[in-house]
Amino acid sequence: EIVLTQSPGTLSLSPGERATLSCRASHTISSNSLAWHQQKRGQAPRLLIYDASSRATGIPDRFSGSGSGTEFTLTISRLEPEDFALYFCHQYETSPWTFGQGTKVEIK
Amino acid sequence: EVQLVESGGGLVQPGGSLRLSCEASGFSFSDFWMSWVRQAPGKGPEWVANINQDGSGPYYVDSVKGRFTISRDNARKSLYLQMSSLGVEDTAVYYCARRGNLYDYWGQGTLVTVSS
Repeated sequence: EIVLTQSPGTLSLSPGERATLSCRASHTISSNSLAWHQQKRGQAPRLLIYDASSRATGIPDRFSGSGSGTEFTLTISRLEPEDFALYFCHQYETSPWTFGQGTKVEIK
Repeated sequence: EVQLVESGGGLVQPGGSLRLSCEASGFSFSDFWMSWVRQAPGKGPEWVANINQDGSGPYYVDSVKGRFTISRDNARKSLYLQMSSLGVEDTAVYYCARRGNLYDYWGQGTLVTVSS
């Protein structure tokens, strides 16, 4: 099983700032089968990024994904008020598909 | 628009049972594998069970094998999770998720609380 470890656990930033979230895999994800989801309280999680760097339909271009192998990054270039939420990574290369524990982006 | 709407969660005593439902709309339900994924308080999501398009070959995480049963009704565009012998460790928000090349759509979740 591939274990995904996200850091930091919480990111305290102000609107307009840049957010950089990390996801480290315990084994190489050779096909870049890594996604990022946004989760707000009481709402369905929303797919942001798939295949490590492709934006899902309707996702603003302030969201970008990068990385390969065991190190992946989600960057939010300029935080909007609606971006303060929980973010988790998800690998779909190897069954069982697994998830990180999440990074909470909160208003400073 | 793809929508997944879960229902059936609630408070149940240890050893009890519960049946979750998920109603799908906005896509061809019978063309997709479907999954249940749960998220315990303060933790990341955990895959629970998968079912393929025609309902054969369900798969489960080891911790629920023999206790949970995933099923589907393609005519009703619905997914189900029958849960029995529930323990406190099963307390979580349970999500229905569409399993395409990845989990691309989720429901809003239904909370299951196992407590005496």
